[in-house]
Amino acid sequence: DTAVSQTPKYLVTQMGNDKSIKCEQNLGHDTMYWYKQDSKKFLKIMFSYNNKELIINETVPNRFSPKSPDKAHLNLHINSLELGDSAVYFCASSPRLAATGELFFGEGSRLTVL
Amino acid sequence: QKEVEQNSGPLSVPEGAIASLNCTYSDRVSQSFFWYRQYSGKSPELIMSIYSNGDKEDGRFTAQLNKASQYVSLLIRDSQPSDSATYLCAVVSGAGSYQLTFGKGTKLSVIP
Repeated sequence: DTAVSQTPKYLVTQMGNDKSIKCEQNLGHDTMYWYKQDSKKFLKIMFSYNNKELIINETVPNRFSPKSPDKAHLNLHINSLELGDSAVYFCASSPRLAATGELFFGEGSRLTVL
Repeated sequence: QKEVEQNSGPLSVPEGAIASLNCTYSDRVSQSFFWYRQYSGKSPELIMSIYSNGDKEDGRFTAQLNKASQYVSLLIRDSQPSDSATYLCAVVSGAGSYQLTFGKGTKLSVIP
């Protein structure tokens, strides 16, 4: 069984559309994250949730809205997509908030905005 | 702004040699340091963590930390072609910080 799973793995869409990426972890971890990796491979945190509570909300456009229905799930909704949103989005989890460096990543969701 | 700097490479080493990957960080109160490996088209995976000054060895990998110099390194002994990947240095800042900051990674190529 995949520990951290994301769907879909690939999204190709037009500018202005809305899309969602779902993430689930079966590791029993308390903390989940969304990271964005751009074309230069720079990995940057977007959001962090601990037991469904938002902990980190980096400076991302408010078109990006995370939602954590329970501590095993963290979804990402993106409104009004722009060309610059094209990237690979990684979901990750860690055992607890204090272990924030020990991340388990999902396989990534490659978003292409045309 | 907290920064983590790495030479982007590519770093090419012959098979069997020692690969040395370096990283510096700007936040003096950083406490926890990590190395992740990312194969092309795959997700990052944690390979080493280090929290105190000195060396930490795990198989062919050795992480080195020097907090006074704000410097972290990863040595890979007996490099194998399967070690060819991008290596990401990551740092968690001082107590109470829950943010992991990644460097831009160093691409390593091990030549058979």
